[in-house]
Amino acid sequence: TQLLEQSPQFLSIQEGENLTVYCNSSSVFSSLQWYRQEPGEGPVLLVTVVTGGEVKKLKRLTFQFGDARKDSSLHITAAQPGDTGLYLCAGAPPYGGSQGNLIFGKGTKLSVKP
Amino acid sequence: EAQVTQNPRYLITVTGKKLTVTCSQNMNHEYMSWYRQDPGLGLRQIYYSMNVEVTDKGDVPEGYKVSRKEKRNFPLILESPSPNQTSLYFCASSPGGLLSGANVLTFGAGSRLTVL
Repeated sequence: TQLLEQSPQFLSIQEGENLTVYCNSSSVFSSLQWYRQEPGEGPVLLVTVVTGGEVKKLKRLTFQFGDARKDSSLHITAAQPGDTGLYLCAGAPPYGGSQGNLIFGKGTKLSVKP
Repeated sequence: EAQVTQNPRYLITVTGKKLTVTCSQNMNHEYMSWYRQDPGLGLRQIYYSMNVEVTDKGDVPEGYKVSRKEKRNFPLILESPSPNQTSLYFCASSPGGLLSGANVLTFGAGSRLTVL
């Protein structure tokens, strides 16, 4: 069974601080997606990483896919209260696996205090 | 606006009273899926559909039914709800199967169900 472990589970920081969220697995994924979910809403896609070693930047957010395509990280620089939410990573099984599902991590709940 | 629409958003019901949560998408997506989200357990897939008349079980299908008679709709049916089905439910869609990194999920806003 493929699993994605996210850490930390909870993170409470002050505005302006930097943070990193990790998503780790012993399995290889063909791609990995990061979503953010705000209270009362569904998850919304932030980014997809596909190539091992890939780094993508989205304003203050930097996403990295591990060289072996087993892990990923999300780094936020100078966090703002608007970054508050639940961050989910989701891996697509490698080719030959099921097309029907993503493997979701349990999420990191981030709270950024003004 | 491209979206996935779920109804109802909130529902309180009693054990055994059949209910249906509707899901509709306007993006002509082939793939649709239902998830439930519970504290400490994350998102778990209930059922998914790769196309019209094609459905398959996810990780937690017990107590649920689905149908895909037309491309845009994918209702979730609870024939005899029980308290352990109290949860936050999400419908999601994607252009195609999820092996391709280009096919990402668009989620609905969620349906919070309480079964007494």
